[in-house]
Order: sequence, then C-alpha cells, then structure tokens
Amino acid sequence: AQTVTQSQPEMSVQEAETVTLSCTYDTSESDYYLFWYKQPPSRQMILVIRQEAYKQQNATENRFSVNFQKAAKSFSLKISDSQLGDAAMYFCAYKESNYQLIWGAGTKLIIKP
Amino acid sequence: ETGVTQTPRHLVMGMTNKKSLKCEQHLGHNAMYWYKQSAKKPLELMFVYNFKEQTENNSVPSRFSPECPNSSHLFLHLHTLQPEDSALYLCASSQDVDRQGRETQYFGPGTRLLVL
Repeated sequence: AQTVTQSQPEMSVQEAETVTLSCTYDTSESDYYLFWYKQPPSRQMILVIRQEAYKQQNATENRFSVNFQKAAKSFSLKISDSQLGDAAMYFCAYKESNYQLIWGAGTKLIIKP
Repeated sequence: ETGVTQTPRHLVMGMTNKKSLKCEQHLGHNAMYWYKQSAKKPLELMFVYNFKEQTENNSVPSRFSPECPNSSHLFLHLHTLQPEDSALYLCASSQDVDRQGRETQYFGPGTRLLVL
C-alpha cells in the first residue's frame, strides 16, 4: 500500500531564512502526482505546489520549490525568504491513477521573528 | 477567496441531535469530497461525489449521511454522533473525479465539530 511519511513533526526557522520540509513516499507505480498543502491556523487547506512524477524538472511557485528525487521517492519542500505568514501545518500528499489522496501526518512550521 | 465555502464554521452538538454541514463550490467543478481530520491523524476520505452521484463511501458509519443535490452543493447530515466523531470536517472539489490522477483538489475552510 502507498504511504507518505513526514519525519519532522515540527520545524522552526528564522524569518527571511530558508527551510526545507521533508517527505518520502512508498509506491510501486511510475506515474503519480505529489502535492504540498498548507493549513494555517484558520484551518483552510491550501494547495502550495504540485509535481507530476513524469516531469524531471522540479516545480517552483515563487518562494516555494520542491526537490523531487524519484528514485529515492523523496519530495521535499523548500521555502525561501520565510515570512511570518508561512507559519502553518504543511502536508505532503500523493495521488496516482484515481482521486484518492494519500496524506502524510504533517509538519508544523514555526517562523521566528 | 478559495472558491469553496463551508457552513457552519463551528458546531457543538449533543449525541441525540441532528445537524447538517453544508459545502458549496463556486469553481464549476463536477466532483466533491468530504474528509475528516482528527488530531494527529492523516486526513481520512469519507465520501466522493461525481456529477451528483456517489462514487465512494470509505466504510463510513451510517450516522453520517451525505447528500449532493447538484454539482455545486454537498451536505453531510449528522445524527446520533459519538464523541469520537469530534473533528474538523473538510470539503473539497475538483474538476472531475480524475482516474488519471491529474486533478487538484481545492479545499474549503472546514467545520470544527464538537460532539458532547
């Protein structure tokens, strides 16, 4: 069965610094999709970035980028120039040939002013 | 503006009450989902609707009853709940129930439910 592991329950970073959140997954499939979602204290689940497994190029959205290592089944999220508004729970999720999202347990990101 | 709204945002109910959660999406999507998010547990998919038809019921107890009158609205009717049903209930939508995995799900703000 597919699983998603986020090994860091909590991370903290100084404002304006860079932080990397880790995510690994287990699958035997070759075609799938990976997502990072952000859930701030408002509890809204917000899509941050997505990556198609067939694409070698790492996805980037402004200050957010991923390091996708398909062979290692690793999908880390890098946040550059951290801002106070980035404080949230971050969830890694995996999806293959159906609509079922497989979720990690989440990483709480704390931004220190 | 997320495009997916949920009401109420907070709900406290007794075990004998009947209440309903409402979700509305303004994105023109065809698929809608109910998730349960409990503390320290990954999100659990409860129900999936595609073009108003239920396509998935993940072994959810019958005290949770979904209703999808049209592609824009999704309800979750609650009756005789248990304290362990207290959680955040999230609604999501996507363009379609995508068998190829391409679709992105967009979430509402959730309803925080407390069952006493």
